[in-house]
Amino acid sequence: GAVVSQHPSWVICKSGTSVKIECRSLDFQATTMFWYRQFPKQSLMLMATSNEGSKATYEQGVEKDKFLINHASLTLSTLTVTSAHPEDSSFYICSARDTPIRYEQYFGPGTRLTVT
Amino acid sequence: DQQVKQNSPSLSVQEGRISILNCDYTNSMFDYFLWYKKYPAEGPTFLISISSIKDKNEDGRFTVFLNKSAKHLSLHIVPSQPGDSAVYFCAANMKTSYDKVIFGPGTSLSVIP
Repeated sequence: GAVVSQHPSWVICKSGTSVKIECRSLDFQATTMFWYRQFPKQSLMLMATSNEGSKATYEQGVEKDKFLINHASLTLSTLTVTSAHPEDSSFYICSARDTPIRYEQYFGPGTRLTVT
Repeated sequence: DQQVKQNSPSLSVQEGRISILNCDYTNSMFDYFLWYKKYPAEGPTFLISISSIKDKNEDGRFTVFLNKSAKHLSLHIVPSQPGDSAVYFCAANMKTSYDKVIFGPGTSLSVIP
């Protein structure tokens, strides 16, 4: 149980275009979903936290107009990287929590974004 | 300023021996700690956790110890197996207006057959 999927697993896009990444909880309802970014050989950096039906809470330094997060249902959250630049190239990982009581997060497999 | 530190970027251990991964934190507001395991190009997998009111939690080969006074926790893996080779992240939860989990930089564990 507690499976989280991400789509696509990798994507290449041209500079200036937008790309959407989907995160789905397959066998549970996610009260909260998180989006992380990981640079090579570095830790996971939390970008934003989203609860279903409400606006995402962005971490300091993360541009909310550039990284649009939508948590439309209890099983789906999307991250849209708008007007992508090469410096946005990274590994994006989502995670989900199935209850506000437990702290464990279940992670998706990640999406490798390359902006050319 | 890193609130969760893992000062050893890598660790090599012989198969069958004990692996000890260390983690230090600076914020007294952390109320829950977690360890995750990550293989390359995959998302992290939850391993084990411990509440700040406890000092030990055990699950099979994995035991986490928490020393609140020293703001230190450790993950013990006994016996270590080659399949344990991965990057291990220590993470801490902070209760603010929402729960926020902060990850350490990770320790790459290699278990040598």
